[in-house]
Amino acid sequence: DTEVTQTPKHLVMGMTNKKSLKCEQHMGHRAMYWYKQKAKKPPELMFVYSYEKLSINESVPSRFSPECPNSSLLNLHLHALQPEDSALYLCASSRQGNQETQYFGPGTRLLVL
Amino acid sequence: DAKTTQPPSMDCAEGRAANLPCNHSTISGNEYVYWYRQIHSQGPQYIIHGLKNNETNEMASLIITEDRKSSTLILPHATLRDTAVYYCFLTGTASKLTFGTGTRLQVTL
Repeated sequence: DTEVTQTPKHLVMGMTNKKSLKCEQHMGHRAMYWYKQKAKKPPELMFVYSYEKLSINESVPSRFSPECPNSSLLNLHLHALQPEDSALYLCASSRQGNQETQYFGPGTRLLVL
Repeated sequence: DAKTTQPPSMDCAEGRAANLPCNHSTISGNEYVYWYRQIHSQGPQYIIHGLKNNETNEMASLIITEDRKSSTLILPHATLRDTAVYYCFLTGTASKLTFGTGTRLQVTL
């Protein structure tokens, strides 16, 4: 099983809402990632978790709050987002570290109104 | 910041080889060169990677120059299903994980 799943596929939220994105993998991978991708641009790294600990935060605003409850699950909690945060949010995992092959989920397309 | 640059678009006739270049002139000694592709805003799909030597798998070949400042992804017999955005991607133990600018490959009949 080389699948990374993400839910929901699509999300529309207002600027005062609180929502969460979920990512799951059952490959035994110990590194997990969140990326943000705007239209016609490459993905940009947001966070990296290694062995359930946050190892990289690319200066992401605090309205994005990651959580790694266990080695298979990664959440991204959203609060007080801005319309410019509308994007495709991609989750990925790799076996141990960030120098290894990453497997990406299909993404959650987020629209902030 | 290190920049990884790619031509914005390329065309290729079906059945011909597609050669996609990537410039990574500031690559560090421990950084791998990865290639991914993204179809219709789905998640990126792994294609191939290498450190110094040329590599080949069932999908593609990767040619890395001796100075490692550039690489070329080769799809030997492109099909319509290879139409996608192709990204090169550098990663190492202490590097920022950065996708290249991406090349939109259009395979035509």
